[in-house]
Amino acid sequence: QQKVQQSPESLSVPEGGMASLNCTSSDRNFQYFWWYRQHSGEGPKALMSIFSDGDKKEGRFTAHLNKASLHVSLHIRDSQPSDSALYFCAALSGGSNAKLTFGKGTKLSVKS
Amino acid sequence: EAAVTQSPRNKVAVTGGKVTLSCNQTNNHNNMYWYRQDTGHGLRLIHYSYGAGSTEKGDIPDGYKASRPSQENFSLILELATPSQTSVYFCASGWVNQDTQYFGPGTRLLVL
Repeated sequence: QQKVQQSPESLSVPEGGMASLNCTSSDRNFQYFWWYRQHSGEGPKALMSIFSDGDKKEGRFTAHLNKASLHVSLHIRDSQPSDSALYFCAALSGGSNAKLTFGKGTKLSVKS
Repeated sequence: EAAVTQSPRNKVAVTGGKVTLSCNQTNNHNNMYWYRQDTGHGLRLIHYSYGAGSTEKGDIPDGYKASRPSQENFSLILELATPSQTSVYFCASGWVNQDTQYFGPGTRLLVL
């Protein structure tokens, strides 16, 4: 079973709209979460990390973490065509030998 | 901005041949990672390293070897390439496991 599950697989929003991406983990050892973004033909790039319950806002991006339900979300307000990309959720457990586990990704298309 | 470079960017290999993918980072990061990206699977960890001389198995190490001869360089070696290893390979680096990972631009490998 995929330890980090993302939904939806793909999402289309109009320019200026709100995009909401979801991520659920099945491993209660996961303590640290990231959102990575990958534009076509490039490597993934970290958008933001979230380690504590609640919201974390960085510009137009807001991440929300609920450790009790193992749910992380990413909300992009005022979406721009340049936000069109593949978005990965990634999770890490504690411990010195922990390895980052990625979800399969959500493909976001922002239509102008 | 952390800098990770990969070579070659594109590679065509024959079944049974040996392939070496190279990665270089100039940020003095301790940790380096090799992932492969396939449609429907997201990013999967092949091998990683905590520093020069160390290599560790990731989630899908079979058919791959890794080498970390220096802090800056991390190689992925396919001794006997197979068509199932056709994929896009990404190298990443970071300070510690709980740190953001910085990815290279990727190597597209086709095994015929």
